[in-house]
Amino acid sequence: EAQVTQNPRYLITVTGKKLTVTCSQNMNHEYMSWYRQDPGLGLRQIYYSMNVEVTDKGDVPEGYKVSRKEKRNFPLILESPSPNQTSLYFCASSRGTGSYEQYFGPGTRLTVT
Amino acid sequence: QQQVKQSPQSLIVQKGGISIINCAYENTAFDYFPWYQQFPGKGPALLIAIRPDVSEKKEGRFTISFNKSAKQFSLHIMDSQPGDSATYFCAAGDSNYQLIWGAGTKLIIKP
Repeated sequence: EAQVTQNPRYLITVTGKKLTVTCSQNMNHEYMSWYRQDPGLGLRQIYYSMNVEVTDKGDVPEGYKVSRKEKRNFPLILESPSPNQTSLYFCASSRGTGSYEQYFGPGTRLTVT
Repeated sequence: QQQVKQSPQSLIVQKGGISIINCAYENTAFDYFPWYQQFPGKGPALLIAIRPDVSEKKEGRFTISFNKSAKQFSLHIMDSQPGDSATYFCAAGDSNYQLIWGAGTKLIIKP
């Protein structure tokens, strides 16, 4: 089944404790992206990657890191999480150039206390 | 900054009624206008999309109306059903195949 998977689905952590949210797609998509969803603010892009080893900042990149060493994986790293990073996070992928349609993962609900 | 403005933020419609959600954009270079549907606990999924050379697109009970001169587009859900209760996002696609998102509309269909 073609899908985008994220792990973990739920995470409660404390301020300053480094964490990684994994994202993997099995559709051989070139483009991958991370969003955060907050009430009233919609989907805000954190980082995106047009292809392996190519990453770019989105609208809200502060406090986040990403890497794209393999085509299928695009982990989101929070080096020192803070309470304002409490949010619902989505990973998405698409075929890339020539295609707008994005396929989303199921989401990761992160709480930072 | 490129923006897509979506309204209303929330909407309650009776079963069988018409749900209408509106979006407005600024950048005339946008080339693709999708609507995504998100159910609780799930990621958004593409519902229907339109290109700017077409004024209307219909898929079942869902219709996009597009007004290029006004830089507006809307989603109409005919004969709204409780199963349509979800959050709906509009977006606009730029020349880099990036999507710029509206803030979302939470739709509740009352039985």
